[in-house]
Amino acid sequence: EAQVTQNPRYLITVTGKKLTVTCSQNMNHEYMSWYRQDPGLGLRQIYYSMNVEVTDKGDVPEGYKVSRKEKRNFPLILESPSPNQTSLYFCASRAAYPYEQYFGPGTRLTVT
Amino acid sequence: LAKTTQPISMDSYEGQEVNITCSHNNIATNDYITWYQQFPSQGPRFIIQGYKTKVTNEVASLFIPADRKSSTLSLPRVSLSDTAVYYCLLIAGNNRKLIWGLGTSLAVNP
Repeated sequence: EAQVTQNPRYLITVTGKKLTVTCSQNMNHEYMSWYRQDPGLGLRQIYYSMNVEVTDKGDVPEGYKVSRKEKRNFPLILESPSPNQTSLYFCASRAAYPYEQYFGPGTRLTVT
Repeated sequence: LAKTTQPISMDSYEGQEVNITCSHNNIATNDYITWYQQFPSQGPRFIIQGYKTKVTNEVASLFIPADRKSSTLSLPRVSLSDTAVYYCLLIAGNNRKLIWGLGTSLAVNP
């Protein structure tokens, strides 16, 4: 089954404690993205990757890091989380064309 | 760069056709239009993609006028299960930048 998986699905952590949210896709897609979703603000892209070792900033990259060492994986790293990073995070992937994105189930992060 | 604007909410009844319009006045020649559906606590799901005129698939139609400054997602004969948030998304520019609308919350009533 074609899918994007994210782990963990729920995470409660404290300010400053480094964390990683994993994302994996099994569709051999070139493009992968991370989004955060907050009430009233819609979906905002954090980082994206066009292929292995190629990443670029989205609209809200501050406080986040990513890496793309393998085509299927695109982890999101918060080196020093802060409460304003409390949000619902989605990973997505797509082929070069068509532009259909496949989204993961989401990770709800709470930083206290 | 183009910006997308869509209504915040809409109401409908079961069995009706629903049309949700997205405005993208500054759309460029090589920009594409896509639409997504999202249920609470789930990731968005792709509905349809278009460039011009009309595109139809098994769940929806997408109408794009000649000037491409807007697009209309048409959902035929909605049911309660179509209650969701619908997002317009432009794929813009040579670097395929993503420009999301803020979503339209559709409520389908019995």
